[in-house]
Order: sequence, then C-alpha cells, then structure tokens
Amino acid sequence: AQKITQTQPGMFVQEKEAVTLDCTYDTSDQSYGLFWYKQPSSGEMIFLIYQGSYDEQNATEGRYSLNFQKARKSANLVISASQLGDSAMYFCAMREGAGNQFYFGTGTSLTVIP
Amino acid sequence: DSGVTQTPKHLITATGQRVTLRCSPRSGDLSVYWYQQSLDQGLQFLIQYYNGEERAKGNILERFSAQQFPDLHSELNLSSLELGDSALYFCASSVGSGGLNQPQHFGDGTRLSIL
Repeated sequence: AQKITQTQPGMFVQEKEAVTLDCTYDTSDQSYGLFWYKQPSSGEMIFLIYQGSYDEQNATEGRYSLNFQKARKSANLVISASQLGDSAMYFCAMREGAGNQFYFGTGTSLTVIP
Repeated sequence: DSGVTQTPKHLITATGQRVTLRCSPRSGDLSVYWYQQSLDQGLQFLIQYYNGEERAKGNILERFSAQQFPDLHSELNLSSLELGDSALYFCASSVGSGGLNQPQHFGDGTRLSIL
C-alpha cells in the first residue's frame, strides 16, 4: 500500500482564490509527522509546512494551512489568495516514528490562472 | 536558498561510467539524505547519514554507494551507469537524526543524464 496518496495529478485555480490539495496517508504508528513541499519548475524542493500527529491545532504558515483530519488520515494543504508564483508541483510527505525514511506522494501540479 | 549545496548542477555521461555527486549540508545540520527523482518512480529515498554513520537505507541499488565525511559533506557514487539512472538527484539535510518534526531542507539537485 502507498504510504502517501495524492489523487490530484493537476489542479487549476484562479489568482486570488483559495485551493485545497489533497493528501491521504497510511501508517499504523501513533507518532508521525506530515510535511508539504513545493517544487517550482526550476526544480528545487521548498519546505512549506509541518503537522505532527499529536498536534491538536491545524498548522498554519502565512498563506499555507494544513487541514489535518486524523481519523480520516488526511492532511490537505490549503493555499489562500493564490498567486501566480504558486504555480508548481506540491508534494506531501510523511515521516513515521519507527523509522527515518521520508515517504513522498506523487505530487500535484498546481497552475494559477491570471 | 536552503543552505544545502549540491555540485555539479548538471552531469552528462555515458552508460557504464561512474560519477560522484557532492553535497554540503546546511550549517549545523548533522543528517544528510539522498533522493532520486525520476518521471516514472517519483521521489525515492536512497540513504541517510547522520554524523558520519549510515542511519537509514531506502531503495538504493548496489551499484550506488554513499558516505559522509568528518566535515559532514556527503558524496553519492553511482557506478556502472544505465540509461534508467537518468534522474534528478537531491540531497537534503536536517539538524538531528530524524526527529518527527524536523523538516528536511533540500539542495537544488544534480540532474544526471546518461547517454
């Protein structure tokens, strides 16, 4: 089974609108961390936001927020007030408490339309 | 700028050859991770080193090896190269050995093309 599933290969959003990128995960660990990364066309991977499995509040970082639903094992990224510079690939990742590996999803390509 | 430096940025070589990719972690980071990103396999974890010692191993081929030196820089050696090894190779670093809340900070990657 895939550890991280991102079901949206591509998404489009109008500039200044909000968009939600889906991520579901699979783990039997009680302790785990969830991360989102952005990869622009230039190729670098940029860390955006983190959510711990024991965090009661949803994580927020500027225009990024994480909609964490533990029972559903989902960790969706919400980008508010989209900007043209948000056009990129977005990857969801997980680290389990038992190991040191990062598991990445296949990514979602976001295009912001002016 | 993540603070992680990877060299070279691009590498073109032929099948059967051997190459070395180099990574300098962020100042203060003790862990180095290597990843391979290809179109068909996505982002695959290869190996992690923490303070010079191998800490975790992922989908790393036997033709590939890595090490972390006393100054904490790391090298990934790829030998007997095949066409399928063409990919973007990322190095990432983190402060500790793998705490749950430690993000990994990625370098810009080395794009390897096998002709």
